[in-house]
Amino acid sequence: NAGVTQTPKFHILKIGQSMTLQCTQDMNHNYMYWYRQDPGMGLKLIYYSVGAGITDKGEVPNGYNVSRSTTEDFPLRLELAAPSQTSVYFCASSLTEAFFGQGTRLTVV
Amino acid sequence: GNSVTQMEGPVTLSEEAFLTINCTYTATGYPSLFWYVQYPGEGLQLLLKATKADDKGSNKGFEATYRKETTSFHLEKGSVQVSDSAVYFCALTFFYNQGGKLIFGQGTELSVKP
Repeated sequence: NAGVTQTPKFHILKIGQSMTLQCTQDMNHNYMYWYRQDPGMGLKLIYYSVGAGITDKGEVPNGYNVSRSTTEDFPLRLELAAPSQTSVYFCASSLTEAFFGQGTRLTVV
Repeated sequence: GNSVTQMEGPVTLSEEAFLTINCTYTATGYPSLFWYVQYPGEGLQLLLKATKADDKGSNKGFEATYRKETTSFHLEKGSVQVSDSAVYFCALTFFYNQGGKLIFGQGTELSVKP
């Protein structure tokens, strides 16, 4: 049972470029989330989804987009990357408790 | 709004010392409460949880009791080990009416020395 899988694990992006962080889960969970983790700040919710075809903004959605075409996948899209988006990104899924992926460490230079 | 506040770290202890990491919350209603642990270079793992007042969550020697009167969920362990060195996050959620979103505290780094 793989749980929540994120790719890539590390990435360096240039300012203004775009990329998609991938997240897939094999637990058939309806709820999925994207968080970013910055030092000393805990985790902040970017976007979440309560099921396929339904997404909603979290606390810090600006500069990001998501889609949820299937129950399994919840990709996070960064458009026009900025240095402020340098962070560690975590995807999670839940039924009654959340399971997290290993994270993607993204650097925007 | 809903929020979680944890004691600031880093916390440095000697092996076999007693651990307390304070966590208090502000919430409208009665959330479920969680402690997550993050080992270096890894994602978050659920450590323990409590879903209603006076519940005690426990796992791997760690315990926390949901105290509604003091809106607290302090994490304790009687004797820490070097392998407990990690960052600990307190969190709350309202599963059924807020999409299951977790609200996290800022995290407390624990370092245990031999």
